[in-house]
Amino acid sequence: DSGVTQTPKHLITATGQRVTLRCSPRSGDLSVYWYQQSLDQGLQFLIQYYNGEERAKGNILERFSAQQFPDLHSELNLSSLELGDSALYFCASSRQGDREKLFFGSGTQLSVL
Amino acid sequence: GESVGLHLPTLSVQEGDNSIINCAYSNSASDYFIWYKQESGKGPQFIIDIRSNMDKRQGQRVTVLLNKTVKHLSLQIAATQPGDSAVYFCAENPWGGGADGLTFGKGTHLIIQP
Repeated sequence: DSGVTQTPKHLITATGQRVTLRCSPRSGDLSVYWYQQSLDQGLQFLIQYYNGEERAKGNILERFSAQQFPDLHSELNLSSLELGDSALYFCASSRQGDREKLFFGSGTQLSVL
Repeated sequence: GESVGLHLPTLSVQEGDNSIINCAYSNSASDYFIWYKQESGKGPQFIIDIRSNMDKRQGQRVTVLLNKTVKHLSLQIAATQPGDSAVYFCAENPWGGGADGLTFGKGTHLIIQP
């Protein structure tokens, strides 16, 4: 168990809908990262937050957004969903003094039908 | 394009044999590399990491080798066990200097034959 908690484990929704994925980082970790994993693209970095502020952006679509709250949990919001958004979404966290070593949650499997 | 890639998408080895998983990277500024193991239905799990000022690092049954000259990384697993069956990813920090975030390769599926 990595200590990173993601909910829900599975999400099934329809095109055009909006969903929210939730992540609680390991205790004491200030950085939260979101990654998307699909069969053809592998693990793609989406966005990173550090202590409530956006720190870095990767291949995140404009339809997607995220935030990190004062209690350090994070949410990834996916809107106007398309079939191609179906993927595993992982959250990871890291420590201040070892910030490159990411610890991943078990992921949320999103299926857009 | 993808800056971190794997030579073999699938590797099949006999239980008890040693496994070598290879990875090429293209960003010479990368100063940190890490290997993850992902079992079915789980998130990536840290195995071992190495900084660019080293060329070898050993853990429990695993060794990572870094060849900066040819931008190549490998993961050696000694005496593979059924529990080693998983997808293995290499990742790099492409920004160097301690910046955050990792870029992952597409992964190699390691299959352990009984």
